[in-house]
Amino acid sequence: AQKITQTQPGMFVQEKEAVTLDCTYDTSDPSYGLFWYKQPSSGEMIFLIYQGSYDQQNATEGRYSLNFQKARKSANLVISASQLGDSAMYFCAMREGSAGGTSYGKLTFGQGTILTVHP
Amino acid sequence: SAVISQKPSRDICQRGTSLTIQCQVDSQVTMMFWYRQQPGQSLTLIATANQGSEATYESGFVIDKFPISRPNLTFSTLTVSNMSPEDSSIYLCSAGHAYNEQFFGPGTRLTVL
Repeated sequence: AQKITQTQPGMFVQEKEAVTLDCTYDTSDPSYGLFWYKQPSSGEMIFLIYQGSYDQQNATEGRYSLNFQKARKSANLVISASQLGDSAMYFCAMREGSAGGTSYGKLTFGQGTILTVHP
Repeated sequence: SAVISQKPSRDICQRGTSLTIQCQVDSQVTMMFWYRQQPGQSLTLIATANQGSEATYESGFVIDKFPISRPNLTFSTLTVSNMSPEDSSIYLCSAGHAYNEQFFGPGTRLTVL
């Protein structure tokens, strides 16, 4: 079974509008973390936002926020006031386990969503 | 945060040859990882680079094909050995100081002819 599922291969949004990119995850580990990355056409991976499984509040970083619904195992990324420069591939990723474990720190990635922002 | 550099940024190689990719972090980090991103695909973890001991490889990746070194807490190398066109990918190094961060280098774009 896929550990991270991103069901939207592509999304389109009008400049200045908000957009939500979906991510669902599957784990039986009570301790985990969820990451979102942006990958522009240059290929670099840009860290956007992190949500821990024990965090009580949804994470926010500037125009990025994470809609964390633990019971539904979803961690959707919300980008507010979209800009042309937001056009890129977006990846959701999960880290499982607690510090000190042999697999700690490694990330499992979803298939990504290509976001296109129209002027 | 951690600033990560990789060398080379890109290379075109002949099949049967080997390429060593370097990853340098601007500060000491506990965790370093190597990922592969095949064309049009997501990222797949190759291995965890362990300082002072052998790397821990994921299923489908072996040391003979992808030997990894990590001589200290800021530096690691990945070698892609006996290359074939199927090895054409972006190879990315990642590292982090804490559980809530994982930063990536700019990647090495490898084309094997």
